[in-house]
Order: sequence, then structure tokens, then C-alpha cells
Amino acid sequence: DAGVIQSPRHEVTEMGQEVTLRCKPISGHDYLFWYRQTMMRGLELLIYFNNNVPIDDSGMPEDRFSAKMPNASFSTLKIQPSEPRDSAVYFCASSPPGGKVYGYTFGSGTRLTVV
Amino acid sequence: AQSVTQLGSHVSVSEGALVLLRCNYSSSVPPYLFWYVQYPNQGLQLLLKYTTGATLVKGINGFEAEFKKSETSFHLTKPSAHMSDAAEYFCAVSDEAKTSYDKVIFGPGTSLSVIP
Repeated sequence: DAGVIQSPRHEVTEMGQEVTLRCKPISGHDYLFWYRQTMMRGLELLIYFNNNVPIDDSGMPEDRFSAKMPNASFSTLKIQPSEPRDSAVYFCASSPPGGKVYGYTFGSGTRLTVV
Repeated sequence: AQSVTQLGSHVSVSEGALVLLRCNYSSSVPPYLFWYVQYPNQGLQLLLKYTTGATLVKGINGFEAEFKKSETSFHLTKPSAHMSDAAEYFCAVSDEAKTSYDKVIFGPGTSLSVIP
């Protein structure tokens, strides 16, 4: 298995632009999580899905952030408009049913820089 | 609500010395416990986990951790540090309660430096 695949690995964009981050979970995993990691705030859970349905989006910082999972093999995290304070590393993770027993598999992350 | 505390945001050890990274949790029910490692510019990787059974669990790269319910702790150890162990380590907890959804709470992380 190729693991959790995220794209792009690096993204540099100007303030005000729309940014879309992409994630392909491991086949058969029905949980998908989006995290944001910064030096100041550490690892933050933004949103997670179960069977393509958003379960908890309480970590989404504001309306500029949105996430979708149109099918079991693809999810997006969109920021519109982007701001410099959104600069961070964004991770996607997936887990099988009972993930809290097995643990999560993380992607390599997308490093977002908003200038 | 569950929470995870990792004592020491930065730990430095000499190569060959004992590694001890501390983790304490709060949970109203017996938890599932995890340690993850993050190498520079990479995602988190599962190091080891405790779910049920033996309280001393062994993971990859010679690491092990012991679940101590009375102390609500799950400290990570390695007898002899190697330069390649330099990384960020995260403790995580999830409860055994029969919730419908799986969610794991991560600690703030401990950065381990290994001095030659």
C-alpha cells in the first residue's frame, strides 16, 4: 500500500488566494482526519470524517476553511481566502474501523506558506 | 474530557544513554495509549500502542512503554539512545468507551535531541 498520499508537498501562495490541499487515504480506511501543525499551537485536529460524512468540524478555525470528502478515496481541505496566519503544515491521516485501537496512518503533510 | 500531558517540551540525552519521555493522561475509563514519532519533514509514525493485556509494550526501533494505571502514565523508554532517535515524540490517548466514532487526543510533543 502506498500509504496516505497528500498533495502538494509544498504550497506557496499570496494572501487572499484560494488554496486546496488534497488527500488520498489508505484503501479500506473509513476514517479520515485533517490536522494542522504549527510551532505555537502544536498538532490541532481540524475535522474528521467517517464513511465520507463529516463528524466533527469543531476544530476548523473559521469559515474560510472548508473540507469535503466526495468519496472514500479523496478529500480536500480548502482555504479561501488564505491569510499569512494559515501558514502551517497540514496533515491528513486515515484509520480503519476501530482506529482508536489500531492507530492512525499519517501522510507526509503539505507545508503551506502564505505570503 | 481526556487530556494528555508530556513533561518537558525538549529533552536532550547523550548517545548511548537512557531515553525517558514522560506522558500522563486523564481519562475516566481505561484508555488506549499510543506513542508516535515524527522525524523532520515527515508525518507522524506509530511507534507503539497499548490497548489491553500486558502493560509493558514494545515498539519499533527498540522503544518500549509501560502503562501504569495507578499513576495514569505511559512513559516511553529506550535503553540506549542513537543519533537517529532525534525526533519529535507525541503521546496520544483514546478512551475505551463505546463511542460511535474514533478520536485520538495528542499531547503537545517532546523534542528529543541526541548529543554525540
